[in-house]
Amino acid sequence: GQQLNQSPQSMFIQEGEDVSMNCTSSSIFNTWLWYKQDPGEGPVLLIALYKAGELTSNGRLTAQFGITRKDSFLNISASIPSDVGIYFCAGQNNAGNMLTFGGGTRLMVKP
Amino acid sequence: NAGVTQTPKFRILKIGQSMTLQCTQDMNHNYMYWYRQDPGMGLKLIYYSVGAGITDKGEVPNGYNVSRSTTEDFPLRLELAAPSQTSVYFCASRTTTGAQYFGPGTRLLVL
Repeated sequence: GQQLNQSPQSMFIQEGEDVSMNCTSSSIFNTWLWYKQDPGEGPVLLIALYKAGELTSNGRLTAQFGITRKDSFLNISASIPSDVGIYFCAGQNNAGNMLTFGGGTRLMVKP
Repeated sequence: NAGVTQTPKFRILKIGQSMTLQCTQDMNHNYMYWYRQDPGMGLKLIYYSVGAGITDKGEVPNGYNVSRSTTEDFPLRLELAAPSQTSVYFCASRTTTGAQYFGPGTRLLVL
């Protein structure tokens, strides 16, 4: 079946630093989604990407849909303590009704 | 819009008991999903529905049942609770473009 490799698994950074994380797939996706999950909460959709090469921003967050359609990147600029949480990527292909999730990146920010 | 709502927020069950986890969405989405998330892990799909009257199995359907009599509601039924079903359960609904929106979750402890 499809697999999504998300890296890094965890990051511990200083407040104010920029953050990058990515997901790679063994197969093509038509939609890439990025979610953030805070402790005890459900995942919250951050950015949705629908076209290869698409670059979309949401405040300090920027995500890109890779040209090959097999990868996606999420960048967070000037991190702040409330960025702490787990970030998940998810991909959907044209054939299915389901999302494939990455394993998550746990972000910790030191004030 | 309230989005996706789930009840109860937390429940303790004894082995062999049954219960229904409720999920309601007010966004008129046809697609709805049930996931479970074990501690420190990603999301696993239990069941999904592409519209009222239509349901299908996901990755981990054993021990669960669903029904979809209306567009708004997608309840998840546990018939004989087992300790392995201790988890956090998330319901989600999906837009026509593929973005899924999650509820706040139900924490289930089976003792």
